[in-house]
Amino acid sequence: DAGITQSPRHKVTETGTPVTLRCHQTENHRYMYWYRQDPGHGLRLIHYSYGVKDTDKGEVSDGYSVSRSKTEDFLLTLESATSSQTSVYFCATRAGAENIQYFGAGTRLSVL
Amino acid sequence: QKEVEQDPGPLSVPEGAIVSLNCTYSNSAFQYFMWYRQYSRKGPELLMYTYSSGNKEDGRFTAQVDKSSKYISLFIRDSQPSDSATYLCAMKESSQGAQKLVFGQGTRLTINP
Repeated sequence: DAGITQSPRHKVTETGTPVTLRCHQTENHRYMYWYRQDPGHGLRLIHYSYGVKDTDKGEVSDGYSVSRSKTEDFLLTLESATSSQTSVYFCATRAGAENIQYFGAGTRLSVL
Repeated sequence: QKEVEQDPGPLSVPEGAIVSLNCTYSNSAFQYFMWYRQYSRKGPELLMYTYSSGNKEDGRFTAQVDKSSKYISLFIRDSQPSDSATYLCAMKESSQGAQKLVFGQGTRLTINP
């Protein structure tokens, strides 16, 4: 257990509204990641962070932004939610000698 | 074409059977290979981690990597109903830097009592 808490766990929102998902970790890990999981696609990387204020894009970053103002918190923002962003979002941190990624429980987002 | 291909199943087998799960990949730079298990409505959890070609065993689970064929497998012996989950293969190129993981689609497995 890498001490990852995602909030909210479930959210329903309307098209065009901004949405922010939070990932909180208690282990002081340097790297944090945001993924989305959709049927037929497995997990795809949205953005990742390698330190406070240090972030970079992943495979499916369009329509998403991230921020990391503290080591323990990594925020994912959907600037103007669309139905195509309905998905399950997972946060992960990386730890250990083998740099294993550990995942949170996920946030289930529905955009209507 | 996806970098990592995994048969999504679903796969249903009787309790006690040997299960074989497989992934193929196209990127020859992948060096590190993982299998994650994901129960319904939960986050993925690491099951097996291997580097380069060969076999690795952990209890009832064996991970196999064949880099020449770009093919990895996970074998589950004496399968139990508690093994029912989605199994995701994942791989990465490097042990340095961002270490982005590329996942397969996941295979949904059901073990019937």
